[in-house]
Amino acid sequence: AQKITQTQPGMFVQEKEAVTLDCTYDTSDPSYGLFWYKQPSSGEMIFLIYQGSYDQQNATEGRYSLNFQKARKSANLVISASQLGDSAMYFCAMREGLNTGFQKLVFGTGTRLLVSP
Amino acid sequence: DVKVTQSSRYLVKRTGEKVFLECVQDMDHENMFWYRQDPGLGLRLIYFSYDVKMKEKGDIPEGYSVSREKKERFSLILESASTNQTSMYLCASLDTTKGTEAFFGQGTRLTVV
Repeated sequence: AQKITQTQPGMFVQEKEAVTLDCTYDTSDPSYGLFWYKQPSSGEMIFLIYQGSYDQQNATEGRYSLNFQKARKSANLVISASQLGDSAMYFCAMREGLNTGFQKLVFGTGTRLLVSP
Repeated sequence: DVKVTQSSRYLVKRTGEKVFLECVQDMDHENMFWYRQDPGLGLRLIYFSYDVKMKEKGDIPEGYSVSREKKERFSLILESASTNQTSMYLCASLDTTKGTEAFFGQGTRLTVV
């Protein structure tokens, strides 16, 4: 079964608008973390934001925020005021077993975001 | 500055060859991972390791093996390369005791002909 589901293969947004990239996850582990990574056309993986399962508040990093809804098992990425440089592939990921040394990191299929002028 | 280094950016190998992809990290991380990335399929976990000589199968281990003889080095081995193993391979490492993000290498684009 897919542990991380990203249902939007592609998204379009106009510059300066906000966009939400969806991510749902599946785990029975009470201690986990959720990530978002950006992969531009150059191929590097750029860490954007992280949310721990016990964090009380939604994570924010500059223009990025993570809308964490634990009961719904969703961890959507919100990018405010989109910029042309935000055009890239975005991956949601989950890290399980935070209280152990045995930690597994799995990714979704990604969403390609295109920001237009 | 933290670093994960993959030995090759591009590789071309022949069907049936034994292929080694090397990954080295300088952060003393316990956990290391190998993924392959294919269009539309995202990053799929092949194998991971949580300590020296310890390894676990990921979601698509068939046709691959790994080796972790030293903490800083995690090798992915294609015992007999096949054309369906043509892909981008990414290595990552993770600190399990502190910190949050996983660090990635630059990727190896492997073509099997």
